[in-house]
Amino acid sequence: QQQVKQSPQSLIVQKGGISIINCAYENTAFDYFPWYQQFPGKGPALLIAIRPDVSEKKEGRFTISFNKSAKQFSLHIMDSQPGDSATYFCAASRRRGNRLAFGKGNQVVVIP
Amino acid sequence: DTEVTQTPKHLVMGMTNKKSLKCEQHMGHRAMYWYKQKAKKPPELMFVYSYEKLSINESVPSRFSPECPNSSLLNLHLHALQPEDSALYLCASSQAGGIWGSTEAFFGQGTRLTVV
Repeated sequence: QQQVKQSPQSLIVQKGGISIINCAYENTAFDYFPWYQQFPGKGPALLIAIRPDVSEKKEGRFTISFNKSAKQFSLHIMDSQPGDSATYFCAASRRRGNRLAFGKGNQVVVIP
Repeated sequence: DTEVTQTPKHLVMGMTNKKSLKCEQHMGHRAMYWYKQKAKKPPELMFVYSYEKLSINESVPSRFSPECPNSSLLNLHLHALQPEDSALYLCASSQAGGIWGSTEAFFGQGTRLTVV
């Protein structure tokens, strides 16, 4: 059972454009929503995370938007660069839990 | 220092071999994890140790045997693996769950395991 659904599966963006990846979840007990960036042959790296008491969090060119009522959250990559080409995973977990539910991942390719 | 160190980076083993994967962190985290990741798939949780005790085993076959010797180290002992066990094995750590809740999980670079 996929607890976190991620879309689209892949994305091609021009350099300087905006990459948008969406995730949806069902479990209302989830209260921690991180995004991970993974390059080929490397482990996932924590990119940015949000808790449901805020609707938006920005770190540099990366922004998470969170819609609690719709049970959706999204990652926006502004001014996308070729170095942003990677697989992005959204995830969710409960505050008191140690189990991250991952989305299926989204491969982003930024073309020059 | 937010580093989780895994060794070896690559491992090729036969189906009758015994090998171990190692993971180390010095962030004071009391939860440590083993994940398995196949190509183009998300990481799949295998085991969780919380305060050096095994708290989650996701019905992993007994040919995988985890061990947590102390709060900084995590091992995964491998024996009689199958070719389908070939994957990227990831270690991660975080603050342990509890009254303050779990926080960010940091992943190591992984061990690329090939079973021949």
